[in-house]
Amino acid sequence: QVQLQQSGPGLVKPSQTLSLTCAISGESVSSNSAAWNWIRQSPARGLEWLGRTYYRSKWYNDYAVSVKSRITFNPDTSKNQLSVQLNSVTPEDTAVYYCARDPGNLGYGMDVWGQGTTVIVSS
Amino acid sequence: QSVLTQPPSASGTPGQRVTISCSGSRSNIGLNPVNWYQKLPGTAPKLLIYSNNQRPSGVPDRFSASKSVTSASLAISGLQSEDETDYYCSTWDDSLNSLVFGGGTKLTVL
Repeated sequence: QVQLQQSGPGLVKPSQTLSLTCAISGESVSSNSAAWNWIRQSPARGLEWLGRTYYRSKWYNDYAVSVKSRITFNPDTSKNQLSVQLNSVTPEDTAVYYCARDPGNLGYGMDVWGQGTTVIVSS
Repeated sequence: QSVLTQPPSASGTPGQRVTISCSGSRSNIGLNPVNWYQKLPGTAPKLLIYSNNQRPSGVPDRFSASKSVTSASLAISGLQSEDETDYYCSTWDDSLNSLVFGGGTKLTVL
């Protein structure tokens, strides 16, 4: 079955770049039906969708307005993983970050999630 | 302020039926399917309901959901102590071109 394994630093300094990786097993990152989402949760903001990347003969991205100017997705087909970079972070970016799969047939529902990575933005 | 509006809290006694509402607008719930997630502390969200009223395999039939125009609701019957946690609704918003979540509802089993 599909599994997502997240990795990345848990502490990032303000103004620096947050980078996380989500290794995928059981499905190709360049699947023609799935979309790969990034979501975060914080006490102040609840669950917040950050964006998604998906492959349909070429790569497409959608971003949340709140982070659109600061976020980048990088799918790596050679390693079958995806990564996210969020630059110019502030303490408001402190949250638990998740990657999640939308298989494409669940009405935007995300059925497989990574284990979550707690990221603290602090000097 | 979340695009989808949920009550911050709900409660019920064991065995009771409770409902959690999710209110949106034409650009989100009005045009797209609604999904519900159960969020236990320290764990990733779990897909509870997809496409308005479909249960993934393994989700008990105590959980059901419906959608009407620009709102949706999650119903939990035969309430159990293990149901005490947070629940979120979600859908796609065509105007924002974004996935949106409700603010979450904390369910307490009295």
